Amino acid sequence: GNSVTQMEGPVTLSEEAFLTINCTYTATGYPSLFWYVQYPGEGLQLLLKATKADDKGSNKGFEATYRKETTSFHLEKGSVQVSDSAVYFCALAQTGANNLFFGTGTRLTVIP
Amino acid sequence: GAVVSQHPSWVICKSGTSVKIECRSLDFQATTMFWYRQFPKQSLMLMATSNEGSKATYEQGVEKDKFLINHASLTLSTLTVTSAHPEDSSFYICSAQDPRLLTGELFFGEGSRLTVL
Repeated sequence: GNSVTQMEGPVTLSEEAFLTINCTYTATGYPSLFWYVQYPGEGLQLLLKATKADDKGSNKGFEATYRKETTSFHLEKGSVQVSDSAVYFCALAQTGANNLFFGTGTRLTVIP
Repeated sequence: GAVVSQHPSWVICKSGTSVKIECRSLDFQATTMFWYRQFPKQSLMLMATSNEGSKATYEQGVEKDKFLINHASLTLSTLTVTSAHPEDSSFYICSAQDPRLLTGELFFGEGSRLTVL
């Protein structure tokens, strides 16, 4: 079956610190992988995605590389800001399917 | 990008009453919309797939008589929580796919927080 395992939070970092949120997945075939972000009081927004092995998704300074050999899609950012405080969800979707399978979410708090 | 909007963003109701949540695609037509539920500190769980003009497809364990879904038009799907109880309190989120996009990306509404007293 399909599942996503995500690093448990919460994570608290100082501004300008390096961020890594781990995500591993189980899936058949070649799924697409996503990171969604949920800011306080808002719905989910797509942060970045990768559709095949070795692809790197990037947006707003965040990056994640689709690693098929380790079935991982870890989210990284070199220097976090207070405005990055949010809940981050890793997700996968099978090719041609609309349904997303989400991880449990990781709450990030960045303090000045 | 495509916009999906939900209403209301939050609602408080008494136990035993019914609550309707609307999900609209504002600038595209969506033949399929998805309803998710998010419990505190947990992930989003797909509840059902809403299909325009036909019955919704519910995930295992989701009571279709409890969570009524109506997708009457290409831009509107509604979720009605019938005879709500405190355990139904949750964050409900809808999503839709813009068929014009080849990426298959899903767009999410802002979510609706339901509190049942």
